[in-house]
Amino acid sequence: QKEVEQNSGPLSVPEGAIASLNCTYSDRVSQSFFWYRQYSGKSPELIMSIYSNGDKEDGRFTAQLNKASQYVSLLIRDSQPSDSATYLCAVKGAGGTSYGKLTFGQGTILTVHP
Amino acid sequence: GAVVSQHPSRVICKSGTSVKIECRSLDFQATTMFWYRQFPKQSLMLMATSNEGSKATYEQGVEKDKFLINHASLTLSTLTVTSAHPEDSSFYICSANGQISYEQYFGPGTRLTVT
Repeated sequence: QKEVEQNSGPLSVPEGAIASLNCTYSDRVSQSFFWYRQYSGKSPELIMSIYSNGDKEDGRFTAQLNKASQYVSLLIRDSQPSDSATYLCAVKGAGGTSYGKLTFGQGTILTVHP
Repeated sequence: GAVVSQHPSRVICKSGTSVKIECRSLDFQATTMFWYRQFPKQSLMLMATSNEGSKATYEQGVEKDKFLINHASLTLSTLTVTSAHPEDSSFYICSANGQISYEQYFGPGTRLTVT
């Protein structure tokens, strides 16, 4: 069973702060990692993808990947109330019956308060 | 990113009836689409992988005779929930790989309520 683990939170940060979201995964051969944002009652929206060790920045978002530690994180700088949502970590299977399929963590609820 | 649509967005049906949900890729061709189900306060669970021109591949525990999937064209996959029961009430979401095939984009979802 391939697993993706996230702290379900809720994580509460003040407006303007940095929100840090973490994810660990069990499948060592995975190569593709994604962060999705899901607002209540809506479907997930892709915000970041990362495939190589290190950091990847896109606007206020930075994804960090450490394959040796099987760890991927998402930093949101200058957090805004509109960032309040559930953040889903997803890992794409790289072999066997999991190939090409996304496995999702349970999601972290983020609340940014004014 | 790629645009994926779903129809209907919301449906209420009576127990024992069947419901069809459509998933379309609007600006690209999708040889593979995925169907997920999400219950309240839970994460997404993959139900099946839909392949254009061939049979769908179902995840363990998903009844293929109850959740019929058809992927007859490169832009359309359908999920039919047959003989729906209240426990089938859920948020059904489809997705497809975009032009960058390793990124998956989701449709807006269909909320099914079975009374």
